[in-house]
Amino acid sequence: DVKVTQSSRYLVKRTGEKVFLECVQDMDHENMFWYRQDPGLGLRLIYFSYDVKMKEKGDIPEGYSVSREKKERFSLILESASTNQTSMYLCASSPDRVGEAFFGQGTRLTVV
Amino acid sequence: LAKTTQPISMDSYEGQEVNITCSHNNIATNDYITWYQQFPSQGPRFIIQGYKTKVTNEVASLFIPADRKSSTLSLPRVSLSDTAVYYCLVGDKTGGFKTIFGAGTRLFVKA
Repeated sequence: DVKVTQSSRYLVKRTGEKVFLECVQDMDHENMFWYRQDPGLGLRLIYFSYDVKMKEKGDIPEGYSVSREKKERFSLILESASTNQTSMYLCASSPDRVGEAFFGQGTRLTVV
Repeated sequence: LAKTTQPISMDSYEGQEVNITCSHNNIATNDYITWYQQFPSQGPRFIIQGYKTKVTNEVASLFIPADRKSSTLSLPRVSLSDTAVYYCLVGDKTGGFKTIFGAGTRLFVKA
């Protein structure tokens, strides 16, 4: 089974902190994605990567950056956390650019 | 990127067939239609994907009319465990991929 593992299930951070959310997949997938999910808004794409060191902005990249130094790992960075970044963050990987994506369990981040 | 529109919520009873329709009026020639299911506190899970006509797998069927401007996910004989949010997406398998999930359809199955 494909496994996408996010480093934390729950996280509480203070405003202004730099936050790292880590995601690792074990299926050698080319494509990896970061979403945030908020009630009533569905999932919104923050960034995606289709290769090592490659990244593309999604719908809501402001306040975030990403890093993909190795194929299996895709990190989401909140440069200076703010309360409006309190959300559920979901990482996914996929062998295709559209098709079956495999999601992690999510990280519920609270910024206080 | 084609925008999708789905009903916000639907109710059903156990044992019934449920059909959830998604409209995607500006779907492009190369776009595929994909459906995901999401339970609370979990990431979405792929259900089915199609390009045209009908696709069936062990959990669902996907009906796509000739004009491809809409699609219908059909869940046969739902059970309580099918209560979830269902998302319809359209996207292109070649370059310039982005997966955009809308708000989805919240299906509530009652006993």
